[in-house]
Amino acid sequence: DAGVTQSPTHLIKTRGQQVTLRCSPKSGHDTVSWYQQALGQGPQFIFQYYEEEERQRGNFPDRFSGHQFPNYSSELNVNALLLGDSALYLCASSWMGYQTGELFFGEGSRLTVL
Amino acid sequence: GDSVTQMEGPVTLSEEACLTINCTYTATGYPSLFWYVQYPGEGLQLLLKATKADDKGSNKGFEATYRKETTSFHLEKGSVQVSDSAVYFCALYFNTGNQFYFGTGTSLTVIP
Repeated sequence: DAGVTQSPTHLIKTRGQQVTLRCSPKSGHDTVSWYQQALGQGPQFIFQYYEEEERQRGNFPDRFSGHQFPNYSSELNVNALLLGDSALYLCASSWMGYQTGELFFGEGSRLTVL
Repeated sequence: GDSVTQMEGPVTLSEEACLTINCTYTATGYPSLFWYVQYPGEGLQLLLKATKADDKGSNKGFEATYRKETTSFHLEKGSVQVSDSAVYFCALYFNTGNQFYFGTGTSLTVIP
């Protein structure tokens, strides 16, 4: 049973560029949440997708957008990259029908913006 | 607003020493409380949780008790091992909002 998988694992971009990160949830999960973890900080909630819609959003600008596909996989898009967007981006999956709070995290995509 | 404050690290202990990582929270409702652990090169994993006041979560020798009166959820282990070296995150969760609030993390290094 594959857990949460994310791609790419590392990438480098320059300011102003756009990036797309991908996530496949754990088998049987239908909800995907994205978190940003800056160096030395805890994960910060970006948004959550369920039934292909954004259900919840944290305090992030509109440059951050996402998508969920019918197979429950998800993408995180960040436009007009800033230096401050450099971070580890974590995807977490869960099952909406059983909201215990337990999230299953991927290993993350580390984005460096130069 | 809702938030979590964690003991700052890094923490370095000798093997078999006692561990306490302090965590306090501020919440407007009745959250569930969690400890997540991040081993080197891996994603976050659930370590333990407690869903209501006075509940005790436990796993792998770690324990934490949900103390509503002190708004705390301190992580404890009586005898740490080298394999416990990781970053530990305290978090609160409201199932109504289905969102986590994480602390900044505490790095633990256990030396033989």
